[in-house]
Amino acid sequence: ILNVEQSPQSLHVQEGDSTNFTCSFPSSNFYALHWYRWETAKSPEALFVMTLNGDEKKKGRISATLNTKEGYSYLYIKGSQPEDSATYLCAFLDSNYQLIWGAGTKLIIKP
Amino acid sequence: DAGVTQSPTHLIKTRGQQVTLRCSPKSGHDTVSWYQQALGQGPQFIFQYYEEEERQRGNFPDRFSGHQFPNYSSELNVNALLLGDSALYLCASSLPPGGPGEQYFGPGTRLTVT
Repeated sequence: ILNVEQSPQSLHVQEGDSTNFTCSFPSSNFYALHWYRWETAKSPEALFVMTLNGDEKKKGRISATLNTKEGYSYLYIKGSQPEDSATYLCAFLDSNYQLIWGAGTKLIIKP
Repeated sequence: DAGVTQSPTHLIKTRGQQVTLRCSPKSGHDTVSWYQQALGQGPQFIFQYYEEEERQRGNFPDRFSGHQFPNYSSELNVNALLLGDSALYLCASSLPPGGPGEQYFGPGTRLTVT
């Protein structure tokens, strides 16, 4: 059974602070690693799709890194803003093209 | 450019009944995946349809079945509903299997089984 673990489960961060959280996934049969952002009452939205070991992707104040050999990815948010409050989900795409999801990290930004 | 749409938005059913949920993919997408999300958990993969066939299936019983139509829209059917089937059901569309698989999600259908 393949497991994707995310930590922490939830996180309270002061507005303006930077933060990061982790996604751990199997280091075998890797095809891609996805990060999604899910705001309350909206649909999950793709942030990054990462395929290469050592990949680093950036979108505004949000960036992600990937280590496929040890099976982890970090998501960083610089200078958190209230609109960053959401649940951040990662998903591991295996070589059979099946997407396996973590339970998410719920991020709450305190003004 | 229409995104992924799902219907209905909310649904209340009784144990033992059957339910059909519907999904239209994003324009240009031909692959549809269905997910179940229980409270506090990440989405659980149910199955994926491509070229009107079920291509992959997650660990769900045969009570969960689906269909894809020639216009790429899809249905999820659940028979003999159990209380534990209460969840948010998400549909996602993507380009054909074989690529990085970025998913575009619909708003979901909230199913409550009483």
